Order: sequence, then structure tokens, then C-alpha cells
Amino acid sequence: DIVMTQSPDSLAVSLGERATINCKSTQSVLYSSNNKNCLTWYQQKPGQPPKLLISWASTREFGVPDRFSGSGSGTDFTLTISSLQAEDVAVYYCQQYYSTPPTFGQGTKVEIK
Amino acid sequence: EVQLLESGGGLVQPGGSLRLSCVASGFTFSSYAMSWVRQAPGKGLEWVSSISGSGDNTHYADSVKGRFTNSRDNSKNTLYLQMNSLRAEDTAVYYCATLMGSGTYYEKYWGQGNLVTVAS
Repeated sequence: DIVMTQSPDSLAVSLGERATINCKSTQSVLYSSNNKNCLTWYQQKPGQPPKLLISWASTREFGVPDRFSGSGSGTDFTLTISSLQAEDVAVYYCQQYYSTPPTFGQGTKVEIK
Repeated sequence: EVQLLESGGGLVQPGGSLRLSCVASGFTFSSYAMSWVRQAPGKGLEWVSSISGSGDNTHYADSVKGRFTNSRDNSKNTLYLQMNSLRAEDTAVYYCATLMGSGTYYEKYWGQGNLVTVAS
């Protein structure tokens, strides 16, 4: 199985400042058929299901604010929140869907400093 | 609007059985693969199982293989997860989700979740 490791486990950022979450996989998740990385980012707020933010490592879902961006390739990926808002307080998960079983990172809790 | 409504959760004793249902609306159910993902209390997300749009192909996590059965009734727009020989470690919120992608698939829309508690 591909193991996904996120860092840090938690971070506190001031409102309006940048938040950066890293995600590393134990093997490349680059899909040769379309030359895209099989990596998603989800946001989960307390008591709610996960919400898909980004697929294919960098494709933002419709309706997701453009302060959220994904980058990276191969085994190293980053989710950036360019200007943290109060409503962004949540746990964020990366997931690889390159191979079965799909696997998630352990989550990163984002709070306001 | 895509809606996924889960039901069937609750308290069950170790070794017992439970069947979860997930009724879908707002999209052509039979055209989409579906999955189950669970989350133990205070923990992260764990993929459980996926099923193709036709229901012909299924995959399971090793932790549930042989105990859980993923199925669907496309005439009823309903996904099922039959859970047998339940263990304490199966205690979790179970989410159904639609799968999206091309060649490989990720969870796009999620239901609200259904709590399963395995305890005596």
C-alpha cells in the first residue's frame, strides 16, 4: 500500500496569513495515461463529511475559493491557503488514488493563531 | 444537486451484523462507481470498499475483506454495505461517496455519514 504522510500534524496561522500543508507518498502517484498526479485534498470541518477541494493534485473544484491551491508532482505535494480566513479552520487530508487501496494522510489541523 | 442519504447504523454487539444503505439522487446512479469510507471517532479517514457502476466489480480493504459486502441496486438508486462479524475496531462513521475520475477514481460527493458502534 502507498503510505501518505502529512506535515505538520497541526498548525496555527494568523488571519490573512499563508498556511502550507505538505503531503508525501511512499511512491510516485503520477498516472502515465494522462500525465497527471492522482492526489486529492479534502477539507473536513467538525461534524461534517469531507469536502473535495482539489483533484489531480492541482485542479480546484468548482466553487472552491482561489485562495486554495495545490501543487507538486511524483511523491511530494503541497496545499496552500494563501490568506487564511476564519471559515478555513478544519482538518485537511490528502489522498492518493493511484492504486488500490486508496490511502489518506493522517490529517493536518489548521487553527487560527 | 447530488444527495447521498445514509441509514442503517447503530449499536451492535461484537460478532453481530448490520446493513448500511445509501440512497442517491441528483445524478444517474448507475453511471457512477461508489465507495464507502469510514472514520473512527477522533481519527482519520480509511477507505473501506468500492464498487463499479454496474456492480460487477468490487474492491475491499484488507481489514474488512471476507466480512463486508458492498453491493448496489441501480433500480432503487441505492448502495449497500453488509457488515458481518463486526469487531470493536469497526466502530466508526461510515460515509458513502461517489467516485469520479478517468482510469483512476477519487471520492467527489460524500454523504453525511452514519455512525456504527460495536460494543457489548
